[in-house]
Amino acid sequence: EVQLVESGGGLVQPGRSLKLSCAASGFTFSNYGMHWIRQAPTKGLEWVASISPSGGSTYYRDSVKGRFTISRDNAKSTLYLQMDSLRSEDTATYYCATEITTPFFDYWGQGVMVTVSS
Amino acid sequence: DIQMTQSPASLSASLEEIVTITCQASQDIGNWLAWYQQKPGKSPQLLIYDATSLADGVPSRFSGSRSGTQYSLKISRLQVEDIGSYYCQQAHSNPWTFGGGTKLELK
Repeated sequence: EVQLVESGGGLVQPGRSLKLSCAASGFTFSNYGMHWIRQAPTKGLEWVASISPSGGSTYYRDSVKGRFTISRDNAKSTLYLQMDSLRSEDTATYYCATEITTPFFDYWGQGVMVTVSS
Repeated sequence: DIQMTQSPASLSASLEEIVTITCQASQDIGNWLAWYQQKPGKSPQLLIYDATSLADGVPSRFSGSRSGTQYSLKISRLQVEDIGSYYCQQAHSNPWTFGGGTKLELK
Protein backbone atom coordinates (compact mmCIF):
# COMPACT_ATOMS: atom_id res chain seq x y z
CA GLU A 1 0.00 0.00 0.00
CA VAL A 2 1.36 3.40 -0.99
CA GLN A 3 1.80 5.71 2.00
CA LEU A 4 3.04 9.28 2.18
CA VAL A 5 3.41 10.77 5.66
CA GLU A 6 4.33 14.43 6.09
CA SER A 7 5.89 15.91 9.21
CA GLY A 8 7.70 19.02 10.38
CA GLY A 9 4.92 21.59 10.29
CA GLY A 10 4.11 24.11 12.98
CA LEU A 11 3.97 27.76 13.93
CA VAL A 12 6.89 29.89 12.80
CA GLN A 13 7.60 33.61 12.79
CA PRO A 14 7.88 35.55 9.53
CA GLY A 15 11.40 35.43 8.14
CA ARG A 16 12.27 32.18 9.88
CA SER A 17 12.81 28.69 8.42
CA LEU A 18 11.08 25.32 8.57
CA LYS A 19 11.84 21.96 6.98
CA LEU A 20 9.09 19.56 5.99
CA SER A 21 9.60 15.85 5.45
CA CYS A 22 7.53 13.27 3.61
CA ALA A 23 8.24 9.62 4.38
CA ALA A 24 7.23 7.30 1.54
CA SER A 25 6.52 3.58 1.60
CA GLY A 26 4.77 0.93 -0.47
CA PHE A 27 6.48 1.78 -3.78
CA THR A 28 9.97 2.16 -5.23
CA PHE A 29 10.55 5.78 -4.22
CA SER A 30 13.58 6.32 -6.45
CA ASN A 31 11.55 5.62 -9.61
CA TYR A 32 9.07 8.48 -9.33
CA GLY A 33 8.88 12.24 -9.36
CA MET A 34 7.67 13.86 -6.17
CA HIS A 35 5.78 17.07 -5.53
CA TRP A 36 4.69 19.53 -2.87
CA ILE A 37 1.26 21.13 -3.17
CA ARG A 38 -0.25 23.54 -0.66
CA GLN A 39 -3.67 24.78 0.34
CA ALA A 40 -4.17 27.99 2.30
CA PRO A 41 -7.02 27.90 4.84
CA THR A 42 -10.40 27.81 3.03
CA LYS A 43 -8.62 28.26 -0.33
CA GLY A 44 -7.83 26.12 -3.34
CA LEU A 45 -4.86 23.97 -4.28
CA GLU A 46 -1.55 25.44 -5.39
CA TRP A 47 1.42 23.54 -6.78
CA VAL A 48 4.67 24.50 -4.99
CA ALA A 49 7.60 22.40 -6.20
CA SER A 50 8.59 19.19 -7.95
CA ILE A 51 11.68 16.99 -8.13
CA SER A 52 12.69 14.31 -10.62
CA PRO A 53 13.28 10.68 -9.54
CA SER A 54 17.06 11.13 -9.33
CA GLY A 55 16.79 14.56 -7.75
CA GLY A 56 18.74 16.07 -10.62
CA SER A 57 15.91 18.34 -11.75
CA THR A 58 13.80 20.62 -9.59
CA TYR A 59 10.96 23.02 -10.38
CA TYR A 60 9.37 25.79 -8.33
CA ARG A 61 6.50 28.22 -8.55
CA ASP A 62 7.74 31.80 -8.92
CA SER A 63 6.56 32.94 -5.48
CA VAL A 64 8.83 30.44 -3.67
CA LYS A 65 11.88 30.47 -5.96
CA GLY A 66 15.00 31.38 -4.02
CA ARG A 67 13.25 30.73 -0.68
CA PHE A 68 12.18 27.06 -0.85
CA THR A 69 14.34 24.06 -1.71
CA ILE A 70 12.94 20.66 -2.61
CA SER A 71 15.22 17.65 -2.15
CA ARG A 72 15.05 13.91 -1.67
CA ASP A 73 16.98 11.08 -0.08
CA ASN A 74 16.27 7.98 -2.12
CA ALA A 75 18.10 5.75 0.36
CA LYS A 76 15.67 6.87 3.06
CA SER A 77 12.62 7.14 0.75
CA THR A 78 12.06 10.64 2.05
CA LEU A 79 11.15 13.91 0.37
CA TYR A 80 11.98 17.28 1.90
CA LEU A 81 10.97 20.91 1.57
CA GLN A 82 13.30 23.46 3.13
CA MET A 83 11.38 26.69 3.57
CA ASP A 84 13.39 29.84 4.31
CA SER A 85 12.38 33.50 4.66
CA LEU A 86 8.81 32.43 5.37
CA ARG A 87 5.99 34.88 4.81
CA SER A 88 2.44 35.04 6.12
CA GLU A 89 1.19 34.07 2.65
CA ASP A 90 3.02 30.73 2.99
CA THR A 91 0.53 29.72 5.68
CA ALA A 92 -1.13 26.56 4.38
CA THR A 93 -1.49 22.83 4.63
CA TYR A 94 1.35 21.28 2.65
CA TYR A 95 0.80 17.97 0.89
CA CYS A 96 3.38 15.73 -0.71
CA ALA A 97 2.21 13.79 -3.73
CA THR A 98 3.54 11.46 -6.36
CA GLU A 99 2.66 10.14 -9.80
CA ILE A 100 2.88 6.34 -9.81
CA THR A 101 0.16 5.02 -12.11
CA THR A 102 -0.63 8.23 -14.02
CA PRO A 103 1.27 11.43 -14.95
CA PHE A 104 -0.85 13.30 -12.43
CA PHE A 105 -0.92 13.52 -8.63
CA ASP A 106 -2.35 10.08 -7.97
CA TYR A 107 -1.18 9.58 -4.38
CA TRP A 108 -1.26 12.26 -1.65
CA GLY A 109 -0.16 12.43 1.95
CA GLN A 110 -2.46 13.54 4.74
CA GLY A 111 -0.92 17.02 4.81
CA VAL A 112 0.95 19.07 7.40
CA MET A 113 -0.02 22.54 8.58
CA VAL A 114 2.41 25.45 8.44
CA THR A 115 1.42 28.71 10.11
CA VAL A 116 3.58 31.78 9.61
CA SER A 117 2.69 34.40 12.19
CA SER A 118 4.29 36.63 14.78
CA ASP B 1 1.15 30.47 -16.96
CA ILE B 2 -1.90 28.50 -18.07
CA GLN B 3 -5.05 29.70 -16.33
CA MET B 4 -7.76 27.19 -15.44
CA THR B 5 -11.15 28.85 -15.01
CA GLN B 6 -13.50 26.55 -13.15
CA SER B 7 -17.26 26.97 -12.77
CA PRO B 8 -19.42 27.10 -10.85
CA ALA B 9 -17.61 28.03 -7.63
CA SER B 10 -20.40 26.40 -5.63
CA LEU B 11 -23.25 24.10 -6.46
CA SER B 12 -26.22 22.75 -4.55
CA ALA B 13 -27.80 19.57 -5.92
CA SER B 14 -30.20 16.83 -4.87
CA LEU B 15 -29.43 13.14 -4.48
CA GLU B 16 -29.58 11.22 -7.79
CA GLU B 17 -29.28 14.48 -9.73
CA ILE B 18 -26.87 14.89 -12.63
CA VAL B 19 -24.06 17.33 -11.77
CA THR B 20 -21.67 18.97 -14.23
CA ILE B 21 -18.58 21.05 -13.43
CA THR B 22 -16.53 22.74 -16.12
CA CYS B 23 -12.98 24.02 -16.54
CA GLN B 24 -11.79 26.33 -19.28
CA ALA B 25 -8.08 26.32 -20.10
CA SER B 26 -6.49 29.58 -21.27
CA GLN B 27 -4.65 27.72 -24.02
CA ASP B 28 -4.47 24.29 -25.63
CA ILE B 29 -3.50 21.63 -23.09
CA GLY B 30 -4.58 18.59 -25.08
CA ASN B 31 -5.69 15.83 -22.73
CA TRP B 32 -3.30 16.92 -19.95
CA LEU B 33 -6.11 17.45 -17.49
CA ALA B 34 -7.11 15.80 -14.23
CA TRP B 35 -10.02 16.13 -11.81
CA TYR B 36 -9.66 15.73 -8.05
CA GLN B 37 -12.20 15.31 -5.27
CA GLN B 38 -11.51 16.64 -1.80
CA LYS B 39 -13.84 15.65 1.01
CA PRO B 40 -13.99 17.94 4.08
CA GLY B 41 -10.84 17.60 6.20
CA LYS B 42 -9.24 15.11 3.81
CA SER B 43 -6.54 15.08 1.16
CA PRO B 44 -7.49 15.43 -2.51
CA GLN B 45 -8.01 12.21 -4.48
CA LEU B 46 -7.55 11.70 -8.21
CA LEU B 47 -10.84 11.01 -10.00
CA ILE B 48 -10.15 11.51 -13.71
CA TYR B 49 -6.87 11.74 -15.61
CA ASP B 50 -5.99 12.35 -19.25
CA ALA B 51 -9.27 14.30 -19.39
CA THR B 52 -11.48 11.21 -19.72
CA SER B 53 -9.87 8.21 -17.96
CA LEU B 54 -11.30 7.01 -14.67
CA ALA B 55 -8.74 6.54 -11.88
CA ASP B 56 -8.55 3.21 -10.07
CA GLY B 57 -11.42 2.59 -7.67
CA VAL B 58 -13.49 5.58 -8.79
CA PRO B 59 -17.20 4.81 -9.28
CA SER B 60 -18.45 4.74 -12.87
CA ARG B 61 -20.97 7.51 -12.18
CA PHE B 62 -18.01 9.90 -12.59
CA SER B 63 -16.94 10.78 -16.12
CA GLY B 64 -14.81 13.36 -17.86
CA SER B 65 -15.09 14.93 -21.29
CA ARG B 66 -13.36 17.49 -23.47
CA SER B 67 -14.45 19.95 -26.13
CA GLY B 68 -11.50 21.95 -27.37
CA THR B 69 -10.13 23.78 -24.34
CA GLN B 70 -13.24 23.19 -22.23
CA TYR B 71 -13.30 20.21 -19.91
CA SER B 72 -16.19 18.80 -17.93
CA LEU B 73 -16.66 16.51 -14.98
CA LYS B 74 -20.04 14.80 -14.77
CA ILE B 75 -21.56 12.94 -11.86
CA SER B 76 -24.43 10.95 -13.33
CA ARG B 77 -26.39 10.28 -10.12
CA LEU B 78 -25.25 12.30 -7.12
CA GLN B 79 -24.67 10.29 -3.94
CA VAL B 80 -24.19 11.61 -0.41
CA GLU B 81 -20.53 10.48 -0.43
CA ASP B 82 -19.86 12.77 -3.39
CA ILE B 83 -20.19 15.90 -1.27
CA GLY B 84 -17.01 17.93 -1.13
CA SER B 85 -14.87 20.13 -3.35
CA TYR B 86 -13.69 19.38 -6.87
CA TYR B 87 -10.64 20.76 -8.67
CA CYS B 88 -9.34 20.52 -12.20
CA GLN B 89 -5.58 20.61 -12.88
CA GLN B 90 -3.50 20.96 -16.02
CA ALA B 91 -0.23 19.06 -16.43
CA HIS B 92 0.64 20.39 -19.90
CA SER B 93 3.08 23.09 -18.83
CA ASN B 94 4.98 24.11 -15.74
CA PRO B 95 3.79 25.64 -13.46
CA TRP B 96 1.08 23.06 -12.96
CA THR B 97 -2.10 24.97 -12.23
CA PHE B 98 -5.42 24.16 -10.64
CA GLY B 99 -8.87 25.56 -11.15
CA GLY B 100 -10.34 27.59 -8.31
CA GLY B 101 -12.51 24.70 -7.14
CA THR B 102 -16.20 23.85 -6.95
CA LYS B 103 -17.85 23.25 -3.61
CA LEU B 104 -20.65 20.72 -4.02
CA GLU B 105 -23.37 20.61 -1.40
CA LEU B 106 -26.61 18.71 -0.95
CA LYS B 107 -29.83 20.58 -1.53
